[in-house]
Amino acid sequence: DGGITQSPKYLFRKEGQNVTLSCEQNLNHDAMYWYRQDPGQGLRLIYYSQIVNDFQKGDIAEGYSVSREKKESFPLTVTSAQKNPTAFYLCASTGLQNSGANVLTFGAGSRLTVL
Amino acid sequence: AQRVTQPEKLLSVFKGAPVELKCNYSYSGSPELFWYVQYSRQRLQLLLRHISRESIKGFTADLNKGETSFHLKKPFAQEEDSAMYYCALKAGGFKTIFGAGTRLFVKA
Repeated sequence: DGGITQSPKYLFRKEGQNVTLSCEQNLNHDAMYWYRQDPGQGLRLIYYSQIVNDFQKGDIAEGYSVSREKKESFPLTVTSAQKNPTAFYLCASTGLQNSGANVLTFGAGSRLTVL
Repeated sequence: AQRVTQPEKLLSVFKGAPVELKCNYSYSGSPELFWYVQYSRQRLQLLLRHISRESIKGFTADLNKGETSFHLKKPFAQEEDSAMYYCALKAGGFKTIFGAGTRLFVKA
C-alpha cells in the first residue's frame, strides 16, 4: 500500500519537552514537506526538503527542526522553543516528474497536544 | 507577497443547489492553482488543478488571471460533497501556499 505514513497519530507532551513526529513515504518522491494545520488558518509550511541531506525553512520554522538522512524519511522535531505547539501536523511529498509533479500527497496527520 | 484568500469559512447549501467556493490569489508571476479537499476522517487530497482543465466529481474551476481568481463551482451539490476545501497556489520553487479553507455543508 503506497503512500505516506505518519506516526504517532496522537501525541501528548508536557511543556518543556521535545517530541519527534515520524514521516515515512514509499512513493519514491524526492520532495517532502511538513505543514501545520490550525482551524481558521489553513495549512502553513514549516519545513521542506527537495533532496536528501537538504532542507529549507518554510513560513513558520521557529521552534521546529528536521532532518533528511534518507529519501523515504523526513522526521519533524517540535522543540520546547515552539511557543504554541498544540496543532495538527501534516506531512506531504511530491514527485518531480510527469503529471505528478507539484501535486502534494498527504499523510493522515499527527495531532500533538501540549499539556 | 504570495497569498491565497478564501473569504468564506463556512458555506451551507441545499442538496441540488449550485455551489461556488471562492478563491483569490496574489502572485506576480505565472501561478499554478489547485483545489484540495478533506472529507470527514479522510486524508487531504487533490480535487483538481487548473492546468488539467478537467471536471472532477462534477466540480470545475477556471483560472481568471484578470481577477486573480480560481473559484470552484458545481451546478448541483450533493450531500457527499460536504467537506473542507482548500485552494492552493504553487508560486515557483517547491512551496505551495494554502488558503484558510472553506467548510462546505450540503443539507438534505
